[in-house]
Amino acid sequence: DSGVTQTPKHLITATGQRVTLRCSPRSGDLSVYWYQQSLDQGLQFLIQYYNGEERAKGNILERFSAQQFPDLHSELNLSSLELGDSALYFCASSVHPSGGSIDTQYFGPGTRLTVL
Amino acid sequence: AQTVTQSQPEMSVQEAETVTLSCTYDTSESDYYLFWYKQPPSRQMILVIRQEAYKQQNATENRFSVNFQKAAKSFSLKISDSQLGDAAMYFCAYSIQGAQKLVFGQGTRLTINP
Repeated sequence: DSGVTQTPKHLITATGQRVTLRCSPRSGDLSVYWYQQSLDQGLQFLIQYYNGEERAKGNILERFSAQQFPDLHSELNLSSLELGDSALYFCASSVHPSGGSIDTQYFGPGTRLTVL
Repeated sequence: AQTVTQSQPEMSVQEAETVTLSCTYDTSESDYYLFWYKQPPSRQMILVIRQEAYKQQNATENRFSVNFQKAAKSFSLKISDSQLGDAAMYFCAYSIQGAQKLVFGQGTRLTINP
């Protein structure tokens, strides 16, 4: 158990719908990262938040958005869902992207999203 | 472009034997970190081992060790005394100092034969 929690574990929805995925980082971790794992694209970085602020953006679609709340939990919002959005969505957390040391990311169990 | 290549989509090994998984990466940065993550059938991503690029000494964690060749941009994982519980997808990844996102390879599926 990494200490990172994600809910729900599974989500089945229809095209055009909107869903929210939730992540709680490990105690003491300030950074949260979202990744998408799909069969054709592999593991792709989506977005990073540090202490409530967006820090880095990757291959995140405009239909997707995220935020990190004052209690440091994060939510990933996916809207106007398409069949191709079906994937495993991981949240990871780390202490702080500080210079000079490895900032290791610990992953949650993931949320499996199926869009029908 | 920053990329990670795992040239072996699948590998298999006999239980108790040793296996090496290959990984090469491409970055122009001088300060970066390398990781191996394991993803068993449960789909959980589990950190196996990590290596700072500025360290010449290869990292070791129990039965897991790496062979880090910085000039060749190679970062292979050696698993000694393979166990059935080692069966999983193994992902090589790196992150650059200051840009913390992980860049992953496509993975190698490791099968352990009893």
